[in-house]
Amino acid sequence: QVTLRESGPALVKPTQTLTLTCTFSGFSLSTSGMCVSWIRQPPGKALEWLARIHWDDDKSYSTSLKTRLTISKDTSRNQVVLTMTSMDPVDTATYYCARTRMTAVGHYFDYWGQGTLVTVSS
Amino acid sequence: SYVLTQPPSVSVAPGKTARITCGGNNIGSKNVHWYQQKPGQAPVLVVYDDSDRPSGIPERFSGSNSGNTATLTVSRVEAGDEADYYCQVWDSSSDHSVVFGGGTKLTVL
Repeated sequence: QVTLRESGPALVKPTQTLTLTCTFSGFSLSTSGMCVSWIRQPPGKALEWLARIHWDDDKSYSTSLKTRLTISKDTSRNQVVLTMTSMDPVDTATYYCARTRMTAVGHYFDYWGQGTLVTVSS
Repeated sequence: SYVLTQPPSVSVAPGKTARITCGGNNIGSKNVHWYQQKPGQAPVLVVYDDSDRPSGIPERFSGSNSGNTATLTVSRVEAGDEADYYCQVWDSSSDHSVVFGGGTKLTVL
């Protein structure tokens, strides 16, 4: 059974750095073809992909946010960590991690965590 | 960057067929994936690779993709299908980014 769970602060101040952890079970990030992504959703708005890390430690980032994002993994602990610097109130959103399946022409998200709401406010 | 366009809302009576479109430049050359999101819940994959269904997803959900439009079809719509639906592709031309559509609210009348 595949599960993912996000954890991190519910409230951060503007200019601070956000660190979120995704703890997963039911699969291994050392398995060829396996990836984990972060996706966010501002209240009442659409989904936005943020970053992805592959089993071989290859990483990809949203073009618009890449200067602020860092994704890493701890395979032994089944965790993926996302850091986002210079937080702003517009970054207020529910942040999801999701298992990512690779195909010959792209990726899709077959299992999602329940999400964690992060509010940016002073 | 690649843009996916969805209608903000679609309404359908119970038992009828709902069609939710996702427009993009030559989207037929990409694999399209669809997610259902109910209020307060995480998205759920309902169709992947244009027309495949994950296990546990009813056959009432189907997908197609050609030209500049991909379509998610929900047959014999039920009250429980009321949700937001998002299409998604991988844009190989933009740092291997993932792109989501703006979402469509399906209302069951």
